[in-house]
Amino acid sequence: DAMVIQNPRYQVTQFGKPVTLSCSQTLNHNVMYWYQQKSSQAPKLLFHYYDKDFNNEADTPDNFQSRRPNTSFCFLDIRSPGLGDAAMYLCATSRENQGLGTQHFGDGTRLSIL
Amino acid sequence: DQQVKQNSPSLSVQEGRISILNCDYTNSMFDYFLWYKKYPAEGPTFLISISSIKDKNEDGRFTVFLNKSAKHLSLHIVPSQPGDSAVYFCAASDGGSQGNLIFGKGTKLSVKP
Repeated sequence: DAMVIQNPRYQVTQFGKPVTLSCSQTLNHNVMYWYQQKSSQAPKLLFHYYDKDFNNEADTPDNFQSRRPNTSFCFLDIRSPGLGDAAMYLCATSRENQGLGTQHFGDGTRLSIL
Repeated sequence: DQQVKQNSPSLSVQEGRISILNCDYTNSMFDYFLWYKKYPAEGPTFLISISSIKDKNEDGRFTVFLNKSAKHLSLHIVPSQPGDSAVYFCAASDGGSQGNLIFGKGTKLSVKP
C-alpha cells in the first residue's frame, strides 16, 4: 500500500544533542509537511516543501531545519533540542492537483528530551 | 490566537445515537474545511471535507454542515459506532494549491456500547 512512513516511532535524545527525524512516502506527492503536536494541542505546521521549494512558517524556531533530498524523503533536524521541543512530530504529504488541503499523514515520531 | 477552535475536549455518546462535533473559526478567508480522525498511536486520517460554496456535505454516516455567517461547522455521525471512538480534528484552509491547514485542538469522542 502507498503510504507515509516515519522513523523512528519513538526517539529519545539528550538536551542539546542534535536529532534527525525521517519521513518517506510512496505516494509520489510533490508536497511534504512537518507538523509539531504537543499534548492536547493542535498540530502546528513547522514548514513544508513544494517539490524542492522550502517554505518556513514565520514562527518556526531557527533550531528546526529540514532537508528534502528527493521526492520520497524529507528530514526534520533539530539542532539543539530543548525540553520544550518534546512533542509528536507528524509528517504529511499532498498532491497539488488533488484538491485543496487533503493531506496524508504518517503515524508520527514521539520525541522525548532527557 | 487560535483561528480554529474546538471548544469541547471530549464527548461521550451511546452507540446508535448521533454524535455532533463542533468547530468555530475566526478567519473569514478560510474557504475549505476538513475533518480528520485520529486513533491512538496513528496519524490523522482524512474523513470528510466541505468547500465554502456549500453548506452541507454527506458521506455515508458522516455529514458536515457549514454556517459561514456564524463561522461554524459541525460533524454529525449517525448512527455512532464504538469504532468511531477517536480524536476528531477540525482543520481549515485559505485555499491555494499547497493547501496549508490550520488545525483545532481536537475533540475526543467516546462511543459506548
